[in-house]
Amino acid sequence: QKEVEQNSGPLSVPEGAIASLNCTYSDRGSQSFFWYRQYSGKSPELIMFIYSNGDKEDGRFTAQLNKASQYVSLLIRDSQPSDSATYLCAVRKDTGGFKTIFGAGTRLFVKA
Amino acid sequence: EADIYQTPRYLVIGTGKKITLECSQTMGHDKMYWYQQDPGMELHLIHYSYGVNSTEKGDLSSESTVSRIRTEHFPLTLESARPSHTSQYLCASSDSGRSYEQYFGPGTRLTVT
Repeated sequence: QKEVEQNSGPLSVPEGAIASLNCTYSDRGSQSFFWYRQYSGKSPELIMFIYSNGDKEDGRFTAQLNKASQYVSLLIRDSQPSDSATYLCAVRKDTGGFKTIFGAGTRLFVKA
Repeated sequence: EADIYQTPRYLVIGTGKKITLECSQTMGHDKMYWYQQDPGMELHLIHYSYGVNSTEKGDLSSESTVSRIRTEHFPLTLESARPSHTSQYLCASSDSGRSYEQYFGPGTRLTVT
């Protein structure tokens, strides 16, 4: 079992719809949770991070964290074709210092 | 906006050559990282550093070495390049005083012929 699991996709949504990306993690002591966006051939860029249970909103993006279920998600409202990319979930573990574990990513395709 | 730089951006080199990939950041971050990523595949941590004169190997076995003599500089060296080293190398940094989010450089795409 991988420490951070994501559905590889592709997830296909129509323009204007809500895209929902999910991630589960195995270490209950994990402290911080991150979502990165990576366009093909480019490096990952941080979208947002969350470390408290509940929702955190930033523009069209909402991160949701449920530590009891070891589950974190990213919602993208009003999806645009420019949102088409691979979304990486990353988790900072409580053990092992400051190491961050990245998931393999979910490919999102927004159809115009 | 993150200020982290990598050079060269692209490198094609023959087998057996020694190469150094450069990474610099101007944010004063104490922690730096090197990842390897093949196209369409996941990131693999190959080296990281807590701070000056502190380096550790990551989760993926790598024949590369790193050094951290200055806070802002974290070069990665391959003593003898092989075709199996062909990949994208990504450098990142983070500040332990914040939430540990990592900021990535633009990457170096290495091809060994």
